[in-house]
Amino acid sequence: DVKVTQSSRYLVKRTGEKVFLECVQDMDHENMFWYRQDPGLGLRLIYFSYDVKMKEKGDIPEGYSVSREKKERFSLILESASTNQTSMYLCAAGIGAENYGYTFGSGTRLTVV
Amino acid sequence: KNQVEQSPQSLIILEGKNCTLQCNYTVSPFSNLRWYKQDTGRGPVSLTIMTFSENTKSNGRYTATLDADTKQSSLHITASQLSDSASYICVVSRRTGNQFYFGTGTSLTVIP
Repeated sequence: DVKVTQSSRYLVKRTGEKVFLECVQDMDHENMFWYRQDPGLGLRLIYFSYDVKMKEKGDIPEGYSVSREKKERFSLILESASTNQTSMYLCAAGIGAENYGYTFGSGTRLTVV
Repeated sequence: KNQVEQSPQSLIILEGKNCTLQCNYTVSPFSNLRWYKQDTGRGPVSLTIMTFSENTKSNGRYTATLDADTKQSSLHITASQLSDSASYICVVSRRTGNQFYFGTGTSLTVIP
């Protein structure tokens, strides 16, 4: 099974800080995704990547950037954290359009104070 | 507009009882539909995945059905257990563009 590991389960950051959320997958999957999950809104796509150094904006990219320097690692960056970015962040990895190997990480609960 | 709607929003059932969760979608062209279980504070875990040609798929006490004509899916849980308490999320994929559409989930609580 694909294992998707997010580096932190819980993070507390101050407004204005630069925040890095790391995600690593161990099965050489091309596609990786970052979502945020908020009560009543479900999962919303922030950014995704089809390959190394490739990135595509999702539905809510504002305030975020991403980095994919290696195939196994997809980082989400909050350049200047704000309180409205307090959320659960989920990383996922999968292969191809059918994505039968589409697997989520355990999530990072970020609180911005 | 590509959408996925789940019902009910929340559900409370007694341990041992059965329940059925619903997912209606308008995503087109349809590729596949997945049901995920998400425990509180954890990432979603895949329960089933169905393509256009599959009507039913089981995973233990979980049985998913798909009617591609009416664009409806259901997840039936048999003989519920306390550990079934979680959010259940329906995810529909398009055949083009590598797009995934999420429902907002059904929160299930199983009580003793």
